Amino acid sequence: SQQGEEDPQALSIQEGENATMNCSYKTSINNLQWYRQNSGRGLVHLILIRSNEREKHSGRLRVTLDTSKKSSSLLITASRAADTASYFCATDVVGSEKLVFGKGMKLTVNP
Amino acid sequence: GAVVSQHPSWVICKSGTSVKIECRSLDFQATTMFWYRQFPKQSLMLMATSNEGSKATYEQGVEKDKFLINHASLTLSTLTVTSAHPEDSSFYICSASSSGSAYEQYFGPGTRLTVT
Repeated sequence: SQQGEEDPQALSIQEGENATMNCSYKTSINNLQWYRQNSGRGLVHLILIRSNEREKHSGRLRVTLDTSKKSSSLLITASRAADTASYFCATDVVGSEKLVFGKGMKLTVNP
Repeated sequence: GAVVSQHPSWVICKSGTSVKIECRSLDFQATTMFWYRQFPKQSLMLMATSNEGSKATYEQGVEKDKFLINHASLTLSTLTVTSAHPEDSSFYICSASSSGSAYEQYFGPGTRLTVT
């Protein structure tokens, strides 16, 4: 599998439900970030979690990082229709001066 | 703060012509700019990294003669798609970093290129 591969690729839920997206990676990282992209638009930075952190919160977002399993999860609580977008994880790989993006996961929140 | 703009937001051109896309950091100086390409329903793929005043570093498989990148100032980088073909149609996104760090990138809104 690719570095930074999200699972599942598409998720459809009802407003008010929680949405969980997972990301796995292969190499050692300095940090991992989550981005949102509305259709045909640029990226919006959501949250960054460093390699020495295990959990981080920002509003309705909760990110976890398990470096032993090389995986991260993004939880969006009490989802809203406006959360409908594609979500990408991106890893800052040790020794590399670039971000590696995962495949992305399309979230649809139905009103 | 940390706003990055791209111009144009969309462009349609004919095969064989060249198209220039601009990426500007509006409120900070960008020592490093990155250019990405995104196909429909796919992820971002890094094309090249450019540092102000030096030649861009291209990723493997990206033709440097086809995708010309110029980073002439600390606030402007340009990507020129030369002799465009329909397969070059894509969404091009730039990002900028004031620190040069990969993790600290501010992304532009993207440019949709359609080659007919």
